[in-house]
Amino acid sequence: QKEVEQDPGPLSVPEGAIVSLNCTYSNSAFQYFMWYRQYSRKGPELLMYTYSSGNKEDGRFTAQVDKSSKYISLFIRDSQPSDSATYLCALEDNFNKFYFGSGTKLNVKP
Amino acid sequence: GAGVSQSPRYKVAKRGQDVALRCDPISGHVSLFWYQQALGQGPEFLTYFQNEAQLDKSGLPSDRFFAERPEGSVSTLKIQRTQQEDSAVYLCASSILEDYSEAFFGQGTRLTVV
Repeated sequence: QKEVEQDPGPLSVPEGAIVSLNCTYSNSAFQYFMWYRQYSRKGPELLMYTYSSGNKEDGRFTAQVDKSSKYISLFIRDSQPSDSATYLCALEDNFNKFYFGSGTKLNVKP
Repeated sequence: GAGVSQSPRYKVAKRGQDVALRCDPISGHVSLFWYQQALGQGPEFLTYFQNEAQLDKSGLPSDRFFAERPEGSVSTLKIQRTQQEDSAVYLCASSILEDYSEAFFGQGTRLTVV
């Protein structure tokens, strides 16, 4: 079993839709939780990070962490075609090692 | 430079050839990471440096892989006797602190072993 599980998609939604992306994890030692966006042939770009259970909002993006269920989510409101990319969840342990999900490919149709 | 720079962007190697991949982190960044990303997968941890010290190399797949950061700045990932299963994108990331802080990724080097 992988440390981090993420549905690979692809996920196709119309412009303006609310998108929900999710990851589950097995190791309760993870301390930091991040979401990265990766465009084709580019490196991952950090979107959101958090270290506690609850919600964190930044513009159209909301990151949600539920440590008791070992479940993290990223919500995108009013999705735009420019949001089309692969979204990676990443979790960091106490030793500066990142564990990535396999990524969910999102396509927002105009 | 403004971001993490990796070179070359693309590398085609014949099986058995040695390759060296370079990473220029953001100036002043203490931590440097190497990741391997196979097609359609998330990045997998290879190794981590804090300044010139390699603190974790547990992700290196075999003894054919070697990484160094001799002066605590530029890092090189070397792969000896490349195999087809080494074909992947190799990503470098750096962050300013020893502990958690935002990690900035480079564009990666796409290695194809033929």
